[in-house]
Amino acid sequence: AQSVTQPDIHITVSEGASLELRCNYSYGATPYLFWYVQSPGQGLQLLLKYFSGDTLVQGIKGFEAEFKRSQSSFNLRKPSVHWSDAAEYFCAVGHNFGNEKLTFGTGTRLTIIP
Amino acid sequence: KAGVTQTPRYLIKTRGQQVTLSCSPISGHRSVSWYQQTPGQGLQFLFEYFSETQRNKGNFPGRFSGRQFSNSRSEMNVSTLELGDSALYLCASNKEGGRDEQFFGPGTRLTVL
Repeated sequence: AQSVTQPDIHITVSEGASLELRCNYSYGATPYLFWYVQSPGQGLQLLLKYFSGDTLVQGIKGFEAEFKRSQSSFNLRKPSVHWSDAAEYFCAVGHNFGNEKLTFGTGTRLTIIP
Repeated sequence: KAGVTQTPRYLIKTRGQQVTLSCSPISGHRSVSWYQQTPGQGLQFLFEYFSETQRNKGNFPGRFSGRQFSNSRSEMNVSTLELGDSALYLCASNKEGGRDEQFFGPGTRLTVL
């Protein structure tokens, strides 16, 4: 069965520091991978997605992620975080070659300290 | 362009009642998916509708049902509510599914007492 693991429940970083959020997936075929962000009281916003091609994908808000098939990983990175990046981040894998049925990880809550 | 809207935003019900939640997708979008978000289980896929037909289904009991109308608006219904149904219910829409970007609504917070 498909699954997504986000091993870090909560991460705290200082403003201006770099960030890496981990995501590992289990999927039988070529995965379609996504990162979403959820701010308190809000729905989910797509940060970036990987379908095929270049394994380093750029997203919105200065985020990027790298697909590593050998490690079954799709880690999210940002070189310098801003206080507004505090939120919950979800990694997801899409089924049926698309994104209309997503399996999500349990999420990583990001706290930014001044 | 208006985003995905969900009504109501908050709802309080008691055990045994039934509830209907509504989702209006972005204009032109024909696929609507529903998710349940709880602290314990996280985000779980309920079902997806495309052109008034259920195209994908998650692992939820039959108490959870949905439908889609010809204007792509979708409703989900939960019958015989249980305490464990308390959750944030999110809907998402995209044009056709597949690789189209999916946009999420703000959710309906359901509390079952």
